[in-house]
Amino acid sequence: DAKTTQPTSMDCAEGRAANLPCNHSTISGNEYVYWYRQIHSQGPQYIIHGLKNNETNEMASLIITEDRKSSTLILPHATLRDTAVYYCIVHISGSARQLTFGSGTQLTVLP
Amino acid sequence: SQTIHQWPATLVQPVGSPLSLECTVEGTSNPNLYWYRQAAGRGLQLLFYSVGIGQISSEVPQNLSASRPQDRQFILSSKKLLLSDSGFYLCAGGTSGGAAKNIQYFGAGTRLSVL
Repeated sequence: DAKTTQPTSMDCAEGRAANLPCNHSTISGNEYVYWYRQIHSQGPQYIIHGLKNNETNEMASLIITEDRKSSTLILPHATLRDTAVYYCIVHISGSARQLTFGSGTQLTVLP
Repeated sequence: SQTIHQWPATLVQPVGSPLSLECTVEGTSNPNLYWYRQAAGRGLQLLFYSVGIGQISSEVPQNLSASRPQDRQFILSSKKLLLSDSGFYLCAGGTSGGAAKNIQYFGAGTRLSVL
C-alpha cells in the first residue's frame, strides 16, 4: 500500500468545516483512498472512500486531486463528537490484506 | 453493513494465565476477519487475518494464536500471557471483491491489562 502523510494535529471551531489533508504521492492506479476515524478508546469507524472522483455521503465529503497525489476530507459542520484521530489510507481494491494505519491526524473540535 | 461483536470490553489477567477473546460477525457471510492490536497512542498493528474457515495468516511472530472455527467466528488465544501482551485488541471484518466491499468494520475493542 502507498504511504500517506497527514498533519499530526488540527483544531476546528464547532460548526465550521473541518478540512483534513492527506498526501499520497506514490499512489498507484488500482489503489483507493479510504478515510477512517477513531474516537478515543473505540474501534476505528469507516467514513468514506474514493478512487478519483469526489465523493459525498452523510458523514463527509472526499475531494481527490486530479493527479490523485493528495486528497482532503471535509466535515462540513464539525461537532464536538467529531473529535477523533482521522486516518487516511490507500489500499488496493479487492485485497484481503490489512489496512495500514499510520499516525493519522488528531482533530480537536473546539466549542 | 457488518456488525462486529467483540467481548469483553475490559480484561485484567495475571502473567502466565491463558487468554481467549472472541469475535463474531453479523450481517455478511464469508467475511475476511482480522485481529489488530493497538498500543497506547500508537497505530494499529495487524496480528492475524483469515479469508475462510480454518485459514489463518500470521503477520508477526508472537505469543498469540488465532482460530476460525466457524465462518463468522474469530478467536484470539494465548496459553500463557506476557506483560507485553497488554494492549487494545480490535477485531475487524471485511469482504473482498471491489472497493465498495473492501471496507473494514471494527468491533468496540478489548482493553487487556496483563499484571
